[in-house]
Amino acid sequence: SQQGEEDPQALSIQEGENATMNCSYKTSINNLQWYRQNSGRGLVHLILIRSNEREKHSGRLRVTLDTSKKSSSLLITASRAADTASYFCATSEFYSGAGSYQLTFGKGTKLSVIP
Amino acid sequence: GAVVSQHPSWVICKSGTSVKIECRSLDFQATTMFWYRQFPKQSLMLMATSNEGSKATYEQGVEKDKFLINHASLTLSTLTVTSAHPEDSSFYICSASHGGQTWGDYGYTFGSGTRLTVV
Repeated sequence: SQQGEEDPQALSIQEGENATMNCSYKTSINNLQWYRQNSGRGLVHLILIRSNEREKHSGRLRVTLDTSKKSSSLLITASRAADTASYFCATSEFYSGAGSYQLTFGKGTKLSVIP
Repeated sequence: GAVVSQHPSWVICKSGTSVKIECRSLDFQATTMFWYRQFPKQSLMLMATSNEGSKATYEQGVEKDKFLINHASLTLSTLTVTSAHPEDSSFYICSASHGGQTWGDYGYTFGSGTRLTVV
């Protein structure tokens, strides 16, 4: 079953503005990851934040994690037209049935950055 | 960096035929690979977890006999859609983790996906 729920489902901003996407999840997690998907392509791993971390930065990306609220946010600063894509959060949990960690994806936020 | 190669990127097949999709880890060994299905404008749904040398673990609702998964080596997993029907048309994506012993703590690398259209 789906774990993460992104908000908003779609976001349209002007180039140079910041974009904030939120993700909520339901159960305890090992870590939470954010991915980017360009239309019709595979996913690209952006950033991973562990359950004992509260904030992480990578270039223009800033991710926060609040385990008490079971939520995370992804901030993209100084957006560019090339940032146009769908962004998914995914939680990593260990499933004993499969004997491995598995990712459960949210529904995604479609970001459009207007030049 | 870790690279996962997925082929073909798109395929059109006739209803009733079978289609094989390959997923290869090019520069690392992937003990476990994952197969996802994605419908248009929707999220990824995990279909199965593929472990090298053993049977795949399928998610609830995924037909094992229709979606055959083979993970014969540490660098190759295949998904075969058997007796394909139009409702099997979808975007299929594989992924693998390239972490160490606690590899659940690492990001996953995804293939570029396969667009399957059954006519």
